[in-house]
Amino acid sequence: AQSVTQLDSQVPVFEEAPVELRCNYSSSVSVYLFWYVQYPNQGLQLLLKYLSGSTLVKGINGFEAEFNKSQTSFHLRKPSVHISDTAEYFCAVSDANQGGKLIFGQGTELSVKP
Amino acid sequence: EPEVTQTPSHQVTQMGQEVILRCVPISNHLYFYWYRQILGQKVEFLVSFYNNEISEKSEIFDDQFSVERPDGSNFTLKIRSTKLEDSAMYFCASWGVAGGLNEQFFGPGTRLTVL
Repeated sequence: AQSVTQLDSQVPVFEEAPVELRCNYSSSVSVYLFWYVQYPNQGLQLLLKYLSGSTLVKGINGFEAEFNKSQTSFHLRKPSVHISDTAEYFCAVSDANQGGKLIFGQGTELSVKP
Repeated sequence: EPEVTQTPSHQVTQMGQEVILRCVPISNHLYFYWYRQILGQKVEFLVSFYNNEISEKSEIFDDQFSVERPDGSNFTLKIRSTKLEDSAMYFCASWGVAGGLNEQFFGPGTRLTVL
């Protein structure tokens, strides 16, 4: 069975500082990896995804993530955050096949302070 | 840009009542899903649907739940007799080549409140 662990439930950071949100997964099969963002009282928006190829993936809003197979990690980074990045961030994994369900982590609440 | 839509945005019901949550997936998508998120918790998979039948379901998806694709556009989740613990945000998602390879598009969610 697959599982996702987001090591930090809350990450407070000052505006324009860099941030890293950590995600580790476990799976016995090849996986696809995703980061979603959820703004207050809204749905889930895809930030970025890793399917294959380059392990460094760039997404929307200046976010990027690096797939590390040996460490089974997929950490999300942004070099300089904005107030508007305040949201809940979810890491998710699926089987590397079509139509696979997503297994989500517990989420990390990113709070950007001025 | 194509999107997944869900109705209603908020549903309030009494315990023991039946509710039907509706979703319109992206046209030409092949797989459909329901997830739920209890307030303050993670998003949990409920069920996936492909080729007019359930392809996978979680332990949460017991006999009180059912899904249906009654026509070519709608995808519904029915809870036969709601419990207090069914209160959650329910998200519909769809996947298909038209939406991009292996990317599930999520709807805005339906907030279900069981009193």
